Parts: sequence; structure tokens; C-alpha cells
Amino acid sequence: DIQMTQSPSSLSASVGDRVTITCRASQSINSFLNWYQQKPGKAPKVLVYAASSLQSGVPSRFSGSGSGTDFTLTISSLQPEDFATYYCQQSYSIPYTFGQGTKLEIK
Amino acid sequence: EVQLVESGGGLVQPGGSLRLSCAASGFTVSTNYMSWVRQAPGKGLEWVSVIYSGGSTYYADSVKGRFTISRDNSKNTLDLQMNNLRAEDTAVYYCVKKYSGSYFDFWGQGTLVTVSS
Repeated sequence: DIQMTQSPSSLSASVGDRVTITCRASQSINSFLNWYQQKPGKAPKVLVYAASSLQSGVPSRFSGSGSGTDFTLTISSLQPEDFATYYCQQSYSIPYTFGQGTKLEIK
Repeated sequence: EVQLVESGGGLVQPGGSLRLSCAASGFTVSTNYMSWVRQAPGKGLEWVSVIYSGGSTYYADSVKGRFTISRDNSKNTLDLQMNNLRAEDTAVYYCVKKYSGSYFDFWGQGTLVTVSS
């Protein structure tokens, strides 16, 4: 199985900050990496797919990069609605593993 | 508009069975990849199972031999039969549509399964 490791596990930031979350795969997954946002009590929603493609309707302050084993999700200027938990997920091979999550909190 | 609505969750004793169902609208279940993803209380996301449009099915090791994914083409629903349930199966179960071989693009609201005596 491919293990996905996110860092940090939690992060405190302020509105307007630039934030970067990292995801590392235990083996190469090319660009088969997706990012999801989850708010309390809600289902996750996809933000970025195929490492760097922004899902329709997602604000342009979100961006993804990377390939192989190392990936990042960047929020260029944090907005109040961005405080949530973020997950990476590989769609390279079954089982489709997720990272453990990064909880983004208000400083 | 794509919608996924899960049902069938509830409280069940260890060793018991439960069948989850997911009613889909706005697209055809049988021509898409469909998955179940679960989330234990306060924990992260765990992929459970997938059924491909061709009918192939795959499972996480943690549920293999106990869970069965299926679909009802006449009702446009996705099901998950869960047998020999354990306490560690307690979670919110999400029905999820998979965009081709890529990402999970639509999620249901989830249904809570609690395994406890």
C-alpha cells in the first residue's frame, strides 16, 4: 500500500497569510494526487486534482504542485472560510489512501 | 444536478450486519466508478471499497471478506453490505462518485454506523 504523509498535522494562521501544506507519498504516484477540504460535520470536497488542476468553482487562491512523491497545497491569502481540515489522497493505485489530514486553525 | 443520499446507518451489535444504500440522481451509477469512504469519529478519511463501471470490485484489507459493494441498475443505487461488524467499523460512511480513474468528485452527506453492545 502507498502511505501518504501530510505535514504539518495542524497549523495556526491568520486571515491574509500564505499557507503551504505538504504531502509525501511512500512511492512515486506521478501526478495522481488530489486535495480535499473538509469542514466540521460536512463531507469533503475536492479542491485540486491531478496534483495541480483546480476543480471548477474553487477560488484561485488555492493551488497545487508537485509530482512523483512530493506535493504541496498552497493557499495564497487565507480567508475566514478556509479554516478547515485538508486531506491529500492518491488515486494511483488501490487502496486509494488518504493523508492523515492537516487542521488549519485561526491564530 | 448530481446528488447522493445515503441511508441504512444505525446502531448494531458486534458481529451483526447492516446494509447501506446510496440513492444517486443526476447521473447513472452503472456507468461510473463508485466508492465508499468512511471516517471514524474524530479521525481521518479511509477508503473502503470501489466498484468500477465494468463491475470489478475492490476492498480495503480492513473490510475484505466482510463487506460487499454492489449496485442496483434499475434503482440507480449503490449498496454496501456489511457483515461481522466490529467496533472499529464505527464511522460515518460516505457514498462517493469517482471521476474516471481520478478523484472523488461528488460525496453524499454520510450515514453513521455505530457498532457497540
